[in-house]
Amino acid sequence: GQQLNQSPQSMFIQEGEDVSMNCTSSSIFNTWLWYKQDPGEGPVLLIALYKAGELTSNGRLTAQFGITRKDSFLNISASIPSDVGIYFCAGNQYNFNKFYFGSGTKLNVKP
Amino acid sequence: DADVTQTPRNRITKTGKRIMLECSQTKGHDRMYWYRQDPGLGLRLIYYSFDVKDINKGEISDGYSVSRQAQAKFSLSLESAIPNQTALYFCATSDRLGPYEQYFGPGTRLTVT
Repeated sequence: GQQLNQSPQSMFIQEGEDVSMNCTSSSIFNTWLWYKQDPGEGPVLLIALYKAGELTSNGRLTAQFGITRKDSFLNISASIPSDVGIYFCAGNQYNFNKFYFGSGTKLNVKP
Repeated sequence: DADVTQTPRNRITKTGKRIMLECSQTKGHDRMYWYRQDPGLGLRLIYYSFDVKDINKGEISDGYSVSRQAQAKFSLSLESAIPNQTALYFCATSDRLGPYEQYFGPGTRLTVT
């Protein structure tokens, strides 16, 4: 099946630091999505991207749709303890109507 | 109220038992999905349904079956549970008309002993 490579797998940072993570694919996607999952809960959609080159923010979170349409990036600025969780990227190809997920980036924030 | 709900939230069952996980949604979406999540393996697609009469296997459908009882309801069954089906199970929905976003339920933690 389709593979999305997400990195890093985990991060340990100090409160206040900025965080970057990315997702790459061997195929072109029409939509890139970023989710956050808290322990024991379902993934919650943070940001959706629809156009190559698009840069979208949601509070301290900023995501970009790569111009090749094969990658996406998520940045979190000035991290806080409640940012702890697993962040997933997902891609969608309209003609296949399925969503493909990265394996997640586990973020730990030290107060 | 949550847009996508799953019942039960937690379930412990024994090997060989039949079990059903249920999903309901109020988002009005026509597409529904069942995923399984294991530590370190991300989300893997079990089954998906684009409408009541259209059900498709995902990448790991063996040992599972589904039923789309209505546009808003999609259930997942384990006919004879085995321990390696212990996992977190998520239901999700999306709208065929877009935007192409997927919305998840809170999950069911299933333990097979």
